[in-house]
Amino acid sequence: DQQVKQNSPSLSVQEGRISILNCDYTNSMFDYFLWYKKYPAEGPTFLISISSIKDKNEDGRFTVFLNKSAKHLSLHIVPSQPGDSAVYFCAAPSVYNQGGKLIFGQGTELSVKP
Amino acid sequence: KAGVTQTPRYLIKTRGQQVTLSCSPISGHRSVSWYQQTPGQGLQFLFEYFSETQRNKGNFPGRFSGRQFSNSRSEMNVSTLELGDSALYLCASSLPGQTYEQYFGPGTRLTVT
Repeated sequence: DQQVKQNSPSLSVQEGRISILNCDYTNSMFDYFLWYKKYPAEGPTFLISISSIKDKNEDGRFTVFLNKSAKHLSLHIVPSQPGDSAVYFCAAPSVYNQGGKLIFGQGTELSVKP
Repeated sequence: KAGVTQTPRYLIKTRGQQVTLSCSPISGHRSVSWYQQTPGQGLQFLFEYFSETQRNKGNFPGRFSGRQFSNSRSEMNVSTLELGDSALYLCASSLPGQTYEQYFGPGTRLTVT
């Protein structure tokens, strides 16, 4: 079973505060995770990734945390800005992957209010 | 560098018809993947092509097919369209050895009536 789940379809946050987007997965053999951001009428854009050998990866305002024992990862955005309003997808390469098959969660729509 | 381009951007078809969508990857990218996005289902993997060969395939019926040309451009075809095929079809390309980090095009919005 290879599933990536985002159980919160939407999240609303005030500008300047922290946004925390969550993602759970079912297969402990996933060894790499990615976050993509999608604006309306555009394709998803790569945001940040993390290897399973790490528990944290940081890039500017974006930090991804990985808890392997809980099969859970989260994306933190600090501080949140109105331009961060978008749909965020977490994804993982298929464990049977020979190439570019990504398994995506259903997405969480983030709204950052001024 | 130009990004991934997809044509057409919007398409309206009738049930039973067939459709062909086109994707031009970023120059130098040889892997092209296709995804279907529908509300509530997220992005679902259709197939991936690398050097004109299908390398991975998702769980879609045989009505969905694709191909890749020697210049890495790719097409996908859906035959005998059903209402449930209405979706955003996204194409993504990646560099050899970096297939996890995919660059997506804007998608083709297909509506089946």
